[in-house]
Amino acid sequence: AQSVAQPEDQVNVAEGNPLTVKCTYSVSGNPYLFWYVQYPNRGLQFLLKYITGDNLVKGSYGFEAEFNKSQTSFHLKKPSALVSDSALYFCAVREGRAAGNKLTFGGGTRVLVKP
Amino acid sequence: DADVTQTPRNRITKTGKRIMLECSQTKGHDRMYWYRQDPGLGLRLIYYSFDVKDINKGEISDGYSVSRQAQAKFSLSLESAIPNQTALYFCATSDPTGYNEQFFGPGTRLTVL
Repeated sequence: AQSVAQPEDQVNVAEGNPLTVKCTYSVSGNPYLFWYVQYPNRGLQFLLKYITGDNLVKGSYGFEAEFNKSQTSFHLKKPSALVSDSALYFCAVREGRAAGNKLTFGGGTRVLVKP
Repeated sequence: DADVTQTPRNRITKTGKRIMLECSQTKGHDRMYWYRQDPGLGLRLIYYSFDVKDINKGEISDGYSVSRQAQAKFSLSLESAIPNQTALYFCATSDPTGYNEQFFGPGTRLTVL
């Protein structure tokens, strides 16, 4: 069965500093990896995905993520954090079509960016 | 996301009551999903539907049922609500390719007393 781990419940960072949110995964086949963000009282919004190709994926709002197959990781990064990046971030993995395209989510990491 | 709407947005009910949560989408997607969100547990899949005649159980379907009334509508029911079903519930849609993201509704906050 596929699984996702986000080892940090919360990440605190000062505005302007680099932001990293960690994610590791476990799947039996090729992974399709996603990052979503949830702002208060809102649904999840898609940030970026890795399906195949370049290991460095660029997404919305200046975020990027690096796929590392040997470490089974897909960490989310932003070079310079903004106060408005404060939110709940979810990593998710989907196995290929044989698994029915179901997403498995990590437990979420709350990011707090302080001015 | 205005393309996926959920009603109601908030609901407080009592143990044993029947509750229906509704989801509508205008994205034209065949695939629809129901998740529940609990603190620290992320989102867990309750049911999913690949089209009107194809409904499947997710990892936590016990105590829930669904109905796919049309391509655009997917309802979640709690036949007899219990307090540990207090959670945030999300509906989502996706295209059938398997390569693209899911689109989420704004969520329904359900409290069972």
